[in-house]
Amino acid sequence: NAGVTQTPKFRVLKTGQSMTLLCAQDMNHEYMYWYRQDPGMGLRLIHYSVGEGTTAKGEVPDGYNVSRLKKQNFLLGLESAAPSQTSVYFCASSLDRGKGEQFFGPGTRLTVL
Amino acid sequence: RKEVEQDPGPFNVPEGATVAFNCTYSNSASQSFFWYRQDCRKEPKLLMSVYSSGNEDGRFTAQLNRASQYISLLIRDSKLSDSATYLCVVAYTGGFKTIFGAGTRLFVKA
Repeated sequence: NAGVTQTPKFRVLKTGQSMTLLCAQDMNHEYMYWYRQDPGMGLRLIHYSVGEGTTAKGEVPDGYNVSRLKKQNFLLGLESAAPSQTSVYFCASSLDRGKGEQFFGPGTRLTVL
Repeated sequence: RKEVEQDPGPFNVPEGATVAFNCTYSNSASQSFFWYRQDCRKEPKLLMSVYSSGNEDGRFTAQLNRASQYISLLIRDSKLSDSATYLCVVAYTGGFKTIFGAGTRLFVKA
């Protein structure tokens, strides 16, 4: 039981490049989330999903797209990376909506030059 | 004003000390409350939920004051291994919203 996994762990991009971050969970959770964490800002929700085939915008969705084609996977795409997207990205999943524990992946450290 | 505010610290305490963190939230519609712990360069993990009547888990005690809109975390008999950042989390079950505070950093020294 791996919980929540994320790939890659680290990435350096140049401005304008694109990339996809992969999140996978093996707990059969319906809800999945993508956050970014910046110093002094706390975790901010980018996009979330309430089930396979569904996605919704969070607090800071601009410049990102997501897909949830399979229940266990949640992909985060950066279409044209900008230095402002330099951050640590965490994926999470949960059984309940807002009431219960969220389980986080180990994070992806992204630097955009 | 941030929806969830925490003193960023750092709190530097000796082993064995008692330390308390407070967290204030601005939306009275908040329904669920949690404390998460985040070690340096690691992911956040749930430490404990916070219930209206207050709750305790070993050396950790969490309190909720709905009237004043704050929650607290008390750590007794601090251990070196308690050194981490503690995140206050507020959720709204009516909508799809979970707000994470920026965290309070704790250093426990020998």
